[in-house]
Amino acid sequence: GAGVSQSPRYKVAKRGQDVALRCDPISGHVSLFWYQQALGQGPEFLTYFQNEAQLDKSGLPSDRFFAERPEGSVSTLKIQRTQQEDSAVYLCASSLGGGVRNQPQHFGDGTRLSIL
Amino acid sequence: AQSVAQPEDQVNVAEGNPLTVKCTYSVSGNPYLFWYVQYPNRGLQFLLKYITGDNLVKGSYGFEAEFNKSQTSFHLKKPSALVSDSALYFCAVRGFREFSGGYNKLIFGAGTRLAVHP
Repeated sequence: GAGVSQSPRYKVAKRGQDVALRCDPISGHVSLFWYQQALGQGPEFLTYFQNEAQLDKSGLPSDRFFAERPEGSVSTLKIQRTQQEDSAVYLCASSLGGGVRNQPQHFGDGTRLSIL
Repeated sequence: AQSVAQPEDQVNVAEGNPLTVKCTYSVSGNPYLFWYVQYPNRGLQFLLKYITGDNLVKGSYGFEAEFNKSQTSFHLKKPSALVSDSALYFCAVRGFREFSGGYNKLIFGAGTRLAVHP
């Protein structure tokens, strides 16, 4: 099926290491979102892309977090100098339209990041 | 600022009985509301949405939700629960940002765990 694909599914890193999380959205989807889901919590918005343009990064918790989508399809979320509080599930979602407000977001299965 | 509250951490129901998962919201302007379901180690699956129109919204897997503007609620319902409905349910509201025509930045509640017992 052509759903949202995220890799890796699980990532364990030592505190201070850099990590990169990948998201392949549904083909043709203009909008791409990253969310962070802490244990026992609902997802929290991190950042939004419309094609290759990052239009909102207001949810990124610090300047250690960086996201890109250079060709308007695949996106990478990078976390530098990881800390234990970065441990969470990182969810990627895509939706068809750019300016259309009512289309549902389709989520990937997430990357579970554990920082030791 | 937009927000969503799910007052119950867990809901227990017997198979075959009706279920309700509660959600209340706070928005400025018209509310755009969503329900998602999450199974273990999986992403969120879209169930249904309320944009405008009928207060009773029908969605996937037999679920429906009732929008009540006076009570600012959007409760999820199903007439007859199945064991396979056991999962984590999230209510969400659109946090609208006026960038290039706007987009659906979702603001989620903390989730309600539904347990359906045989």
